[in-house]
This record gives sequence, structure tokens and C-alpha cells, in this order.
Amino acid sequence: DTGVSQDPRHKITKRGQNVTFRCDPISEHNRLYWYRQTLGQGPEFLTYFQNEAQLEKSRLLSDRFSAERPKGSFSTLEIQRTEQGDSAMYLCASIPIRYNEQFFGPGTRLTVL
Amino acid sequence: GDSVTQMEGPVTLSEEAFLTINCTYTATGYPSLFWYVQYPGEGLQLLLKATKADDKGSNKGFEATYRKETTSFHLEKGSVQVSDSAVYFCALSEEGSTNAGKSTFGDGTTLTVKP
Repeated sequence: DTGVSQDPRHKITKRGQNVTFRCDPISEHNRLYWYRQTLGQGPEFLTYFQNEAQLEKSRLLSDRFSAERPKGSFSTLEIQRTEQGDSAMYLCASIPIRYNEQFFGPGTRLTVL
Repeated sequence: GDSVTQMEGPVTLSEEAFLTINCTYTATGYPSLFWYVQYPGEGLQLLLKATKADDKGSNKGFEATYRKETTSFHLEKGSVQVSDSAVYFCALSEEGSTNAGKSTFGDGTTLTVKP
């Protein structure tokens, strides 16, 4: 257990529905990252927060995806109008300032039927 | 952009065999290099890391040396156990205004160790 938690661990939804995932980083970590991992591949960067500011978004993050980190604590990732191609493991990671070792949560596995 | 290439798997070994998983990278600057391990249904756990050339990271009998001249960070273990069966990811991270510590991962190598 790295201290980063994610909720839910598993989510099954029907195509077209909206889903929201939550990540609770280690409390003193000011940077928070979201990654997507599909079967047989490594995690791919989606977006990154420093405190409450979203500083970078990958082109993988279509306009159906939105992420927030109010008050610089927990973060949410919402996917609107889900598609079957959104099925993946969504990983959250956090790090403290001036550090580059990422602490990963257990992930949320999304299945879109 | 940055990239990481791992040897293709899966890799199947007998217990106590020697393990090598190759990893090479391309990066614009001077990255830190990592190996992560992922067990079924779980997130990634850091196995070891190296932050500069010629550094050797080690943990739980695993080792990897940061080779700048060959841009490599191969993972080795002298004697694998059944409990080492997992997926192993090589990754790099660059600290800078544009990269801000995000990691680039290889596609992973699945290791199965048979008794």
C-alpha cells in the first residue's frame, strides 16, 4: 500500500453513460498525475496537477474527459458519454515537490459495455 | 519525445534461473530511470531507480545500472522465485518545466517463474 487510494476499484458501465473516479493522494504530495493503462501496454500520461492547478493535458484527453483537483487535495476524473474504447485501468500517482518517484494508487478498472 | 523500449515478452523461467529484461530509452535531457512491478489486479510498485549515469539501483535481489552510453537500464536478478511472477515496467522521468516529473513507460514484460 503506497498511501494513494482510488475509488472505485472497478466500474462497469454502459456506453453513453458518465463515470467519475476519485483519487486521494498522499497528503503532503503536491503533484498528482492521471494515467491510462490498456491491456498489454504501459501506462500513458493523461494529465497532471500541481496543487489545484491543472498544468498539462495529453492529447489523449479528449473533450469528453475532465479532471479537477479542488483545494489541491483529492482529484476526480470524469468521462462523459463513455465509449467502449475507454475501457482501461485508470491510475493515479502522486509525488512531493522536487521529487520524481511516483507513488501509484491501485487503479480503477473501467469496463464499458 | 521521450520513449522507452522493453524486450518483448512473455518470459518464462524456472525457479532459480537468471533473469535479464532489456530496456533502452530515448530522452531529450537527463532522465531518472525506474523499474516498476505490477502484480495481477494491482497498481504499480516501484522496484528500483537510478537518477544519474552509472548509478546502480537495487532492491529485493533485482539490480539495474544506468548506462548513458548505451541508453539502457537492463533489469537483472541472479535467482528468480515463483513470487517474482509479475509484469515489469521500465520507465523514465524528466524533471523540467515542460515535463514536470511525468513518467514515460515501456509496454511491460510479463515474467512467469515455474517451480
